Amino acid sequence: DAGVTQSPTHLIKTRGQQVTLRCSPKSGHDTVSWYQQALGQGPQFIFQYYEEEERQRGNFPDRFSGHQFPNYSSELNVNALLLGDSALYLCASSLAITQQETQYFGPGTRLLVL
Amino acid sequence: AQSVTQLGSHVSVSEGALVLLRCNYSSSVPPYLFWYVQYPNQGLQLLLKYTSAATLVKGINGFEAEFKKSETSFHLTKPSAHMSDAAEYFCAVSYTNAGKSTFGDGTTLTVKP
Repeated sequence: DAGVTQSPTHLIKTRGQQVTLRCSPKSGHDTVSWYQQALGQGPQFIFQYYEEEERQRGNFPDRFSGHQFPNYSSELNVNALLLGDSALYLCASSLAITQQETQYFGPGTRLLVL
Repeated sequence: AQSVTQLGSHVSVSEGALVLLRCNYSSSVPPYLFWYVQYPNQGLQLLLKYTSAATLVKGINGFEAEFKKSETSFHLTKPSAHMSDAAEYFCAVSYTNAGKSTFGDGTTLTVKP
């Protein structure tokens, strides 16, 4: 049973560029959440996708957008990259929008913006 | 707004000693609480979760946590530390669903031989 997978593992971009990160949820999961983890900090919730729609969003600007595909996989897009966007981006999947469902996290994509 | 405070960004214990990692949350409504562990260059792994059943929650790798509503705390403990427990530990809280969690800033646990 494959867990949550993310690609790429590492990425280097320059300011102003755009980036797309990808996530495949754990088998059977239909909900995908994205988090940003800056160095030395805890993860911060970006948004969550369910049934191909953004269901909840954290305090992130519109430069951060996403998509969920019919197979439940998801993409995180960041436009006009800033140096402060350098972080580990974590994807987590769960089954349905219920409070007691366990989130399973992927290994993350480490983004460096120069 | 919900928040989580982890007291002590770094905790160091000797192998075999008690591990105590502290977590307090701010809320007037009982939340759902989680502890995660993160090893270097890896994602987060769930250690345990409180979902309004028993207040003492047992998790993996010998860890447990006790929900104390009067103290708004959810401290993580382990009776005897192993070298393999050295990692970053995060406390998290959610009120709506498991997907939107608020995390603390983490506690780095060092285990000395």
